[in-house]
Order: sequence, then structure tokens, then C-alpha cells
Amino acid sequence: KQEVTQIPAALSVPEGENLVLNCSFTDSAIYNLQWFRQDPGKGLTSLLLIQSSQREQTSGRLNASLDKSSGRSTLYIAASQPGDSATYLCAVTNAGDSWGKLQFGAGTQVVVTP
Amino acid sequence: GAGVSQSPRYKVAKRGQDVALRCDPISGHVSLFWYQQALGQGPEFLTYFQNEAQLDKSGLPSDRFFAERPEGSVSTLKIQRTQQEDSAVYLCASSLRLAGRTDTQYFGPGTRLTVL
Repeated sequence: KQEVTQIPAALSVPEGENLVLNCSFTDSAIYNLQWFRQDPGKGLTSLLLIQSSQREQTSGRLNASLDKSSGRSTLYIAASQPGDSATYLCAVTNAGDSWGKLQFGAGTQVVVTP
Repeated sequence: GAGVSQSPRYKVAKRGQDVALRCDPISGHVSLFWYQQALGQGPEFLTYFQNEAQLDKSGLPSDRFFAERPEGSVSTLKIQRTQQEDSAVYLCASSLRLAGRTDTQYFGPGTRLTVL
């Protein structure tokens, strides 16, 4: 049974530092992995989607890597800003799933201090 | 166009009451998902619709939970005889295509349900 884990549960960094968020999953049979951002009282916003055949995706200051064989993904956020403060969730779509339902980790709560 | 909207945003119910939560997906989106997010946890899948057909309800925690999407657009999640363990944020998401394994899901803001 697939399990998705995010460590640490919370992280605080000073503005300007790079952020490194980790996600691990136990079953490498996935279609894709996504990183989401969740702000209090708001829904989830998709940041990056990595297909199982890809190694990484980049968007602006964000870069996500995927090592499917070892069951790991890392989200890098360069030069963090206070506006990056949020909870970051990773989610996988399992290969045996027909509809694309997402299986989430519990998230990493990030605080970027000015 | 507009994103996914959900109503109400907040709902307080007494234990034993029935509640109905509404989701308006992005116009034209075929796939619709409901998720339940407990405090401090990631969302967990409840059910999936492809147009008006409910193709997967494996995540519904009990027969007190019921969902419908009769015309293939708006969806309603109904919880009968609410219990305290039903307290959570209920998220709705839609995606453009059928079997959206490669599609981004667009999430609504959620409905926070508190059962007293």
C-alpha cells in the first residue's frame, strides 16, 4: 500500500535562504507526482507536476526533482521570500489508479521570516 | 473563467444533523473529485465523478456519506447524521479531461465543517 511522507512537518528559515522540502513514497509505481501550496483558508494551488518519466520540473524560483526508483522527490525554492510562507504538500497518482486521484503527504508548514 | 467554488465556506452542525456541501467546478471540466482534510493532515480521497457518473466512491468513510452530480456540473456531498469525527475541511477539485492521470486538478477553497 502506498504511503507518502513529508519531513520535516514544519520549517522556519530567514528570508533569502533556499528552501529544501522532501517527499518520500513507498511504491515506485506512480504516474506522476505533484507539489501543491496551501494557504490558510484557501484551496490547494498546483506548483509543479512531474511525470514518472521525468527527472525534474522547473518554474521560476521553484525546482522539483523526482527519483522514482528510490521513492523520493525534493522541492527547491530559491531565495525564499515571506510570501513563500505556506504549507507545501506533495501528492502522487498511483499507477493502478484509473481516474487520477491524488494521494497526499501530510505537508510541510514553512515560515519565512523577514 | 472563474475557478472552483464551494459553499458554504463554513458550516457548524450539531451531532446528528444532516449537512449538504456544494461544489461548482470549472465550466467544461469533466472530472470532479471530493477530498476530506483533517486538521494537520493531507487531503484524503473520497469520491470521483466523470461527468454525471460516480465511478469511484471507495474513499467514502461510511454509508452516511453520499455524493451526486446529476447534470455533470455542480456536485453535492451530503453527510447524514453527522458525527464529531466528520469535522474536517472538505475540498472539491476538477480537471479538464477524462481519467485525468496527467492533468492538474484545480481545487476549491473548501468547506470547513465543525460538528459539535
